[in-house]
Amino acid sequence: EDQVTQSPEALRLQEGESSSLNCSYTVSGLRGLFWYRQDPGKGPEFLFTLYSAGEEKEKERLKATLTKKESFLHITAPKPEDSATYLCAVQAGYKLSFGAGTTVTVRA
Amino acid sequence: DTGVSQDPRHKITKRGQNVTFRCDPISEHNRLYWYRQTLGQGPEFLTYFQNEAQLEKSRLLSDRFSAERPKGSFSTLEIQHTEQGDSAMYLCASSFKAGGSGEQFFGPGTRLTVL
Repeated sequence: EDQVTQSPEALRLQEGESSSLNCSYTVSGLRGLFWYRQDPGKGPEFLFTLYSAGEEKEKERLKATLTKKESFLHITAPKPEDSATYLCAVQAGYKLSFGAGTTVTVRA
Repeated sequence: DTGVSQDPRHKITKRGQNVTFRCDPISEHNRLYWYRQTLGQGPEFLTYFQNEAQLEKSRLLSDRFSAERPKGSFSTLEIQHTEQGDSAMYLCASSFKAGGSGEQFFGPGTRLTVL
């Protein structure tokens, strides 16, 4: 069965303090690894898809990387508006299997 | 706005009642998914449609749950004889696959509270 583990569960940062979130996974036949952002009371918002080890993608202050066993989401010089829960998911077949998420709080 | 829409956004019901949720996917998307999310957890897969065909169901989807997607457009998720354990956020997502794995785009969710 596919397993996705995210760490840490929560992360409190000062504005401008860069950090990384970890997503480790076990899956048979990875078709893609996805990162989503979720704000309280809302549905997940798509950020990135990574398909193969060594791949990297960037969007504003976020950068996602992928190895054979884990993915990292790097947040560079975060701002308060980056506060959210970041979800990692793997796809094998049609469905996504999600981790529990990392809740990031950025203080001004 | 051409994103995924869900209705209602909130539903409060009493134990034992039936409820039905609706999802309208992005118009050109042929794949539709239902997930359930409880507090502090990531979404869990419930079921998947390609056009009007329901191709996969999770074992989480008990006999009290039924989903349909008539004509391959909108979808409904019905829960019969609701239980307090059904309280959760029900999320709908859609995607379009043309060769590779299609990103799934989520709607705002329907929050169900069973009293």
